[in-house]
Amino acid sequence: AQSVTQLGSHVSVSEGALVLLRCNYSSSVPPYLFWYVQYPNQGLQLLLKYTTGATLVKGINGFEAEFKKSETSFHLTKPSAHMSDAAEYFCAVTRSGGYQKVTFGTGTKLQVIP
Amino acid sequence: EAGVAQSPRYKIIEKRQSVAFWCNPISGHATLYWYQQILGQGPKLLIQFQNNGVVDDSQLPKDRFSAERLKGVDSTLKIQPAKLEDSAVYLCASSSRDIPSPFFGPGTRLTVL
Repeated sequence: AQSVTQLGSHVSVSEGALVLLRCNYSSSVPPYLFWYVQYPNQGLQLLLKYTTGATLVKGINGFEAEFKKSETSFHLTKPSAHMSDAAEYFCAVTRSGGYQKVTFGTGTKLQVIP
Repeated sequence: EAGVAQSPRYKIIEKRQSVAFWCNPISGHATLYWYQQILGQGPKLLIQFQNNGVVDDSQLPKDRFSAERLKGVDSTLKIQPAKLEDSAVYLCASSSRDIPSPFFGPGTRLTVL
């Protein structure tokens, strides 16, 4: 079975400060990992994904994440927070092979303080 | 490219009533998912289709929930009868074999009174 754990249901940062949202995964096979963002009353939007290859992946809106197999982590970062980054962020895991189940974490709500 | 379409966007019903949600995935996407998202929680997979066959429905409360995907395109999720704890956002998503990350629709917010 596969799962993800997001540490911290709420994170607050000041505008311009570093954003760090934590995600650890559990998978018996090499995982595919995703980060999604959800704004109020909207569906989930893909920020970035790791499948194979380069372990540092860049996404939209200046976000990036690094796959660290030794730490079973896939933390999301952004060097400088913007007010528009305030939203809920979800980490998700699946595996290769096509048509696999995608499992989501419980989410981290990011607050950006002006 | 059009996204995933869902309707209705909002629905309010009383407990024990029935309700149905509709989803039209992105054209060409073989995989379709229905997720339930309760306030403050992450999305929980209810059912996953590959074309018109069910891949996973292990968390679908089959005594009251049903879903179908006729012709491998549109899908309908039904709840009958609804309970208070079914109040949630129901998210439909689709994906292709080559791009395994699901694309999500805007969701249907269900309130059961």
